[in-house]
Amino acid sequence: QKEVEQDPGPLSVPEGAIVSLNCTYSNSAFQYFMWYRQYSRKGPELLMYTYSSGNKEDGRFTAQVDKSSKYISLFIRDSQPSDSATYLCAMSAAGTGNQFYFGTGTSLTVIP
Amino acid sequence: KAGVTQTPRYLIKTRGQQVTLSCSPISGHRSVSWYQQTPGQGLQFLFEYFSETQRNKGNFPGRFSGRQFSNSRSEMNVSTLELGDSALYLCASSLGQDILAKNIQYFGAGTRLSVL
Repeated sequence: QKEVEQDPGPLSVPEGAIVSLNCTYSNSAFQYFMWYRQYSRKGPELLMYTYSSGNKEDGRFTAQVDKSSKYISLFIRDSQPSDSATYLCAMSAAGTGNQFYFGTGTSLTVIP
Repeated sequence: KAGVTQTPRYLIKTRGQQVTLSCSPISGHRSVSWYQQTPGQGLQFLFEYFSETQRNKGNFPGRFSGRQFSNSRSEMNVSTLELGDSALYLCASSLGQDILAKNIQYFGAGTRLSVL
């Protein structure tokens, strides 16, 4: 079983829709949770990061962490065509230095 | 501030050859991590270097190796290339401290390696 599971999609939504992206994980030691966005032929760029459980909002983006269910989500409100990209979740545990574990990514297309 | 720079952007090699990829981290960053990205497996961690020492290592064969120089620049070497090594190789740099705000990884654009 992979440490991090992510539905690869592809996901296709109309402009203005609310998008929900999700990851599950198996390692209860994970405490740091991140979402990256990757455009075609580019490296991943950090969107949001959170520590432990709870919600974090940044503009149109909201990240949620439910440690009891080992489940994290990224919500995108009022989705735009420029949001079309692959979204990767990542997580790490304290005391492991810089070892991050990534999901395989969800491909999102927002249709104008 | 300049971002993470990876060279070359594209490489074509044949089976059995070896290849060296280069990564220049963001100024001030002492940690460099390498990842292999493929459509089926996603991002897989290769290794991390911090202050010229390998600090973490993923589950890849010994054909994959790396090093870091005193200026934090890093190189990754793959010997005896196999067809399955075709992938996007990404480098990420960070301050490398074990506090999330100091630990955020910033990625380069990657080197796309094709093995024929």
